[in-house]
Amino acid sequence: QKEVEQDPGPLSVPEGAIVSLNCTYSNSAFQYFMWYRQYSRKGPELLMYTYSSGNKEDGRFTAQVDKSSKYISLFIRDSQPSDSATYLCAMSGADSWGKLQFGAGTQVVVTP
Amino acid sequence: GAVVSQHPSWVICKSGTSVKIECRSLDFQATTMFWYRQFPKQSLMLMATSNEGSKATYEQGVEKDKFLINHASLTLSTLTVTSAHPEDSSFYICSSDRVNEQFFGPGTRLTVL
Repeated sequence: QKEVEQDPGPLSVPEGAIVSLNCTYSNSAFQYFMWYRQYSRKGPELLMYTYSSGNKEDGRFTAQVDKSSKYISLFIRDSQPSDSATYLCAMSGADSWGKLQFGAGTQVVVTP
Repeated sequence: GAVVSQHPSWVICKSGTSVKIECRSLDFQATTMFWYRQFPKQSLMLMATSNEGSKATYEQGVEKDKFLINHASLTLSTLTVTSAHPEDSSFYICSSDRVNEQFFGPGTRLTVL
């Protein structure tokens, strides 16, 4: 069983819709949770970073962490075709900062 | 934001040759850098942790004699794939952290013929 599970998609949504992404994990030691966006043949770009449980909002992006359920989410409001990419969740423990465990990545397609 | 660069962005080499990939932190000092590998349609897998001035630490299953890592300065880490084989063809990405955020380089696509 993988430490981090993420549905690879693809997830297709119409422009303007809310994109809902999530990951589950098994390691209760994870404390840092991140969402990255990756375009084809490019390096991942950090979108959101959350420490421990709670919600965080930045523009059109909202990240949620529920440590009791070992479940994290990313919501993208008012989606645009330029949001079409692969979204990766990543996480690490306090004693292994920087050594990220990634989900498989979810491919998102926003259609005009 | 912080910038991490990699060179080259794309390299093709013959089987049996060695290839060096550079990772630079452009606007901050990085005592630690991380090297990841990503196969097509798969996620990133951590290969090793590069420590400035000391030996790298490798993840289980990664051959340290095949993937040589050197972190000679606070802004540069290099990964050398020695005696490359076609199965080493992959997307290699480095990262470093600054103020508790991990920033990734643009990646190097290696194709071994």
